[in-house]
Amino acid sequence: SQKIEQNSEALNIQEGKTATLTCNYTNYSPAYLQWYRQDPGRGPVFLLLIRENEKEKRKERLKVTFDTTLKQSLFHITASQPADSATYLCALAAGGTSYGKLTFGQGTILTVHP
Amino acid sequence: DAMVIQNPRYQVTQFGKPVTLSCSQTLNHNVMYWYQQKSSQAPKLLFHYYDKDFNNEADTPDNFQSRRPNTSFCFLDIRSPGLGDAAMYLCATSRGQQGQETQYFGPGTRLLVL
Repeated sequence: SQKIEQNSEALNIQEGKTATLTCNYTNYSPAYLQWYRQDPGRGPVFLLLIRENEKEKRKERLKVTFDTTLKQSLFHITASQPADSATYLCALAAGGTSYGKLTFGQGTILTVHP
Repeated sequence: DAMVIQNPRYQVTQFGKPVTLSCSQTLNHNVMYWYQQKSSQAPKLLFHYYDKDFNNEADTPDNFQSRRPNTSFCFLDIRSPGLGDAAMYLCATSRGQQGQETQYFGPGTRLLVL
């Protein structure tokens, strides 16, 4: 069965450093990979989407890579700030023109210390 | 402006007492989803509507039902809540149902079963 694993439940870093979060998957060949941010007691908020034929995507301080050979995505936040503290979820979906169910990982809790 | 609204934000019910959670959207999206999320776990898809077409996940218990009377509203009915149904319930919408579609989440309803 499909399995998505996000690295260590919690990641603690100092302000100004780069946070790197990992999303690994098995028994799956997703066409799309999305990253969401979830604050405590709130719903997830979309951050970035990357396609299987894209190696890298950037948006401001965020960067996502997608390695279909390693079956892994890395999510980077550069110059991290305490306001970046949240849970980050990766989510995978199949391609095609019909329904592409989004399957979520359990998330990584990021804490950025001042 | 809120785009996906969930009411109530907190719901307390008694074991076995039916409860209904509501979701509305101002995005005019075709697809509406209901997810269940327990602490430190991935959001788990219960079902989704593409327009009026209802799609149930294979492992969603019969205890969970849904209604979508129009484009804007969707309801989650839990017929006989058990202690194991205590969770955050997230409603989400998307324009289409393909894998590259971004999902927009509401703030969630936290359900407590006594």
